[in-house]
Amino acid sequence: DGGITQSPKYLFRKEGQNVTLSCEQNLNHDAMYWYRQDPGQGLRLIYYSQIVNDFQKGDIAEGYSVSREKKESFPLTVTSAQKNPTAFYLCASKGTPGLAGLVQFFGPGTRLTVL
Amino acid sequence: ELKVEQNPLFLSMQEGKNYTIYCNYSTTSDRLYWYRQDPGKSLESLFVLLSNGAVKQEGRLMASLDTKARLSTLHITAAVHDLSATYFCAVDSGRGSTLGRLYFGRGTQLTVWP
Repeated sequence: DGGITQSPKYLFRKEGQNVTLSCEQNLNHDAMYWYRQDPGQGLRLIYYSQIVNDFQKGDIAEGYSVSREKKESFPLTVTSAQKNPTAFYLCASKGTPGLAGLVQFFGPGTRLTVL
Repeated sequence: ELKVEQNPLFLSMQEGKNYTIYCNYSTTSDRLYWYRQDPGKSLESLFVLLSNGAVKQEGRLMASLDTKARLSTLHITAAVHDLSATYFCAVDSGRGSTLGRLYFGRGTQLTVWP
């Protein structure tokens, strides 16, 4: 089955700790995205990558870091510099050719809680 | 920066009734998307609208796009309980073959009651 997987589903972080959220896709998509969703809010873009070894900051990149060493993987690290990281994190990917390539498909999400 | 406004943010409607959700955006775009999100779940793509006057329908939901007015609507016909969810519109900053990024509205939380 083709799709996007995120792990873990739930993650608990202590103050001052860095944590890494995994996102993997086997859809052969070039572009990948990380969003943050807070209760009752829309999605805010953290980082995105349109090609391997390249990525751009989104609207709320402070306190986060990413890497894109492989086409299928786009891990997100939430650093201790992110003061309020408790949120629902969604990874998405998008292909390039044709109509189907215009749609972003979303993974199941990771719910991060700071203890 | 592209701004996307949805209204209403909360919608409570009786089964069998009709209603429309509105999505306004601030700058020119030729790609608009509607997504559905169930509580605690991820986003599911509903519609992709790519040109002025585009209309797409799936079951009791119909989406339309007016690029001149920078307005999209999601019309619900004869609502049923299964439509209860949060609906997001998103506008793509890309043009033509250029990859862009999405700007999301805050979402409309729809509750359908008997």
